[in-house]
Amino acid sequence: AAGVIQSPRHLIKEKRETATLKCYPIPRHDTVYWYQQGPGQDPQFLISFYEKMQSDKGSIPDRFSAQQFSDYHSELNMSSLELGDSALYFCASSLGLSSGYEQYFGPGTRLTVT
Amino acid sequence: DAKTTQPPSMDCAEGRAANLPCNHSTISGNEYVYWYRQIHSQGPQYIIHGLKNNETNEMASLIITEDRKSSTLILPLATLRDTAVYYCIVRVNTDKLIFGTGTRLQVFP
Repeated sequence: AAGVIQSPRHLIKEKRETATLKCYPIPRHDTVYWYQQGPGQDPQFLISFYEKMQSDKGSIPDRFSAQQFSDYHSELNMSSLELGDSALYFCASSLGLSSGYEQYFGPGTRLTVT
Repeated sequence: DAKTTQPPSMDCAEGRAANLPCNHSTISGNEYVYWYRQIHSQGPQYIIHGLKNNETNEMASLIITEDRKSSTLILPLATLRDTAVYYCIVRVNTDKLIFGTGTRLQVFP
């Protein structure tokens, strides 16, 4: 079965640079969630989109922005990168109208800021 | 979302059942109990969820107490590949997932 695709899988950036992470949800899934997992920490919710509209927002820095496009893929844009942004970034998708609403996660993008 | 309490770590022998407890005493009537696991640095994996009835799927069983204040995830025949951090999360269906510290399950030969 098709899974959530994230690209790139690994990304190395320098401080103050920008980064764009992409997420391709499971076909027919209309909801996308972004999570950040720092070293040794548990995943933390950043932001979510349902039908291309922002549906919820967590502890996402103002330097970050995201959107969901008409084909339901989503991009997380990160500017003025800081060392503390080094983390695994997971995207998850779900089918909003399904009976379970379970979220399916991608393999993550490992961002390293030097 | 309601807070959950899980033991930080547990061990289980391969081939035995692993029973992972979770307390969620402040759960609301419309909140479901979800279980996810994360195998080292991989994306969290959905396991099972339930509202008030016990549930079973090909991965695990979920036992929810009648008062819904606690639940147990049962892996019937643990294998080394089940070594992971297991998260118990209570949420309204459309909500984000709020991960606590989870239970680190170590399955040993």
